[in-house]
Amino acid sequence: ETAVFQTPNYHVTQVGNEVSFNCKQTLGHDTMYWYKQDSKKLLKIMFSYNNKQLIVNETVPRRFSPQSSDKAHLNLRIKSVEPEDSAVYLCASSEDTGGFEQYFGPGTRLTVL
Amino acid sequence: GDSVTQTEGLVTLTEGLPVMLNCTYQTIYSNPFLFWYVQHLNESPRLLLKSFTDNKRTEHQGFHATLHKSSSSFHLQKSSAQLSDSALYYCALSDRASGSWQLIFGSGTQLTVMP
Repeated sequence: ETAVFQTPNYHVTQVGNEVSFNCKQTLGHDTMYWYKQDSKKLLKIMFSYNNKQLIVNETVPRRFSPQSSDKAHLNLRIKSVEPEDSAVYLCASSEDTGGFEQYFGPGTRLTVL
Repeated sequence: GDSVTQTEGLVTLTEGLPVMLNCTYQTIYSNPFLFWYVQHLNESPRLLLKSFTDNKRTEHQGFHATLHKSSSSFHLQKSSAQLSDSALYYCALSDRASGSWQLIFGSGTQLTVMP
């Protein structure tokens, strides 16, 4: 099956903890992304990664960092979570940047207590 | 900076009536891509349609939209709403105004179709 896979589906943690989310795509795409979808369903790009070039949304707090081992994997680490980090984190991939369709994974729902 | 505006947060209509969801955008880039993504309940967003060409109608799954650069608009339309169209619809803009490609989503329009 070719798709975008994310683990875990859900994660509940306490303020100050570190969390990591995994994303893998089997579509053979060259570009991967992380998005945050908040409780109001606002969808905002956090990172994009293409040919080892990382593009960071300047509004993303430094406690967030992407980690990539190859073009099929792009994980997300949050060093010390805060309550406002509670959201759904969506991973996506596309053939390339620009006008290419993005394929989204099922998402990881993070709840910070 | 670049932005996408969807004026309606919530649209409720009766099955069989026409659908029109508004989308306008702002960018200094002359050749942007415009997209509509749809997200059904408990699912992830998926592409509904996209356009790059000015004044050309794009259609998919009964929906259509036309990119009008003169008015910076990309409204989504359908002639007759179905119950299964109930979902969250995002308009999105992709351009290189910042030097690298970026995709910016509007705030979304929740469409609810009633029987």
